[in-house]
Amino acid sequence: EVQLVESGGDLIQPGGSLRLSCAASGFTFSNFEMNWVRQAPGKGLEWISYISSSGGITHYAGSVRGRFTISRDNDKNSLFLQMNSLRAEDTAIYYCATGGGSGGSCQDRWGQGTLVTVSS
Amino acid sequence: DFVMTQSPDSLAVSLGERATINCKSSQSVLYSSNNKNYLAWYQQKPGQPPKLLIYWASTRESGVPDRFSGSGSGTDFTLTINSLQAEDVAVYYCQQYYSTLYTFGQGTKLEIK
Repeated sequence: EVQLVESGGDLIQPGGSLRLSCAASGFTFSNFEMNWVRQAPGKGLEWISYISSSGGITHYAGSVRGRFTISRDNDKNSLFLQMNSLRAEDTAIYYCATGGGSGGSCQDRWGQGTLVTVSS
Repeated sequence: DFVMTQSPDSLAVSLGERATINCKSSQSVLYSSNNKNYLAWYQQKPGQPPKLLIYWASTRESGVPDRFSGSGSGTDFTLTINSLQAEDVAVYYCQQYYSTLYTFGQGTKLEIK
């Protein structure tokens, strides 16, 4: 069974940094693209970052480009999101999700999410 | 950038009736070389992560009931839920994955009338 478990969410002050992790199991992690998608309280979904299966290609939404960095460790079946210069508008549930399956790059498996709150 | 616009923002449908949700993309998501529409539909129930329902605009994900269907091509797409069940109450999102900057629609909240 595919499992994605996010961790690292916390209450953090504006301007601070946080590193999220996503532990994957139940599938061959190194074969799949990965994504981070977030959802502000009571709002819709916002895709924020993509990383290829090898880690060699990354993409970012404009709202986080230059502040967030996606990475992965295929030996440890783990995905990461380094978030710097955090703002109040980054407050959200952050989901990791797989891609690159039968449906191409859409996100076909999701974790339960981890909550990041940016507030003083 | 691709802008995805869903309509309506919310709708209420009686049990057993049909629900129709529309999604319009600001640019075509049809890739001519493989004739595939890079459009997905997701369902999100309260307190849960999203769940993929439909990809390539019309292909049901494994395990998704056949009362869910997707249609459309290019810039205009529709998610149809036939014979609405109580468990279908959720917010539904379309998403384009044609561009490397994937974008979601704003969501459509489906309720029971």
